Amino acid sequence: KQEVTQIPAALSVPEGENLVLNCSFTDSAIYNLQWFRQDPGKGLTSLLLIQSSQREQTSGRLNASLDKSSGRSTLYIAASQPGDSATYLCAVLNQAGTALIFGKGTTLSVSS
Amino acid sequence: EPEVTQTPSHQVTQMGQEVILRCVPISNHLYFYWYRQILGQKVEFLVSFYNNEISEKSEIFDDQFSVERPDGSNFTLKIRSTKLEDSAMYFCASSDSRGRYEQYFGPGTRLTVT
Repeated sequence: KQEVTQIPAALSVPEGENLVLNCSFTDSAIYNLQWFRQDPGKGLTSLLLIQSSQREQTSGRLNASLDKSSGRSTLYIAASQPGDSATYLCAVLNQAGTALIFGKGTTLSVSS
Repeated sequence: EPEVTQTPSHQVTQMGQEVILRCVPISNHLYFYWYRQILGQKVEFLVSFYNNEISEKSEIFDDQFSVERPDGSNFTLKIRSTKLEDSAMYFCASSDSRGRYEQYFGPGTRLTVT
């Protein structure tokens, strides 16, 4: 059964810092991996999707990498801003493409 | 920009009552999903739906749950007899093709069972 783990559970940084969020998964037979942002009491906003054949994806200040064989992904946020404060969720899509399995998330707080 | 919408945003119901949560997926999407998030816990997969039938369901999705696409735009989740432990945020999602399967989520319906 696929398990997704995110470390750390919470992170506090001053504005301007670069940071890395980690995600690991137990079964490397995945279709893709998505990173989401969730603000308190809100829905999930898709940030980046990496197909299983890809190594990384970039969008603005965000860069996500995928090492499928070792079951790891990282989300790199450059030059963090207070508006980046949110919970970041990692999710892997099973090979059939029918279900996303989520980690518990990393709650990020960026202070000004 | 197209988005997934959900109604109602908050539903309060008594234990044992039936509830229907409604979703309007993005119009050209073909794959539909329901997830739930109990307060403070992980987002959990419930069910996926394609071509008018269930593709996959989790062990959470028991006989008390059902899904339907009653027309060309809506996608519903019905809970027949709600329990206290059904209290959660329920998210609908849709995706467009087998090529990417990128899922777009709605804002959620907060279900409170009293």
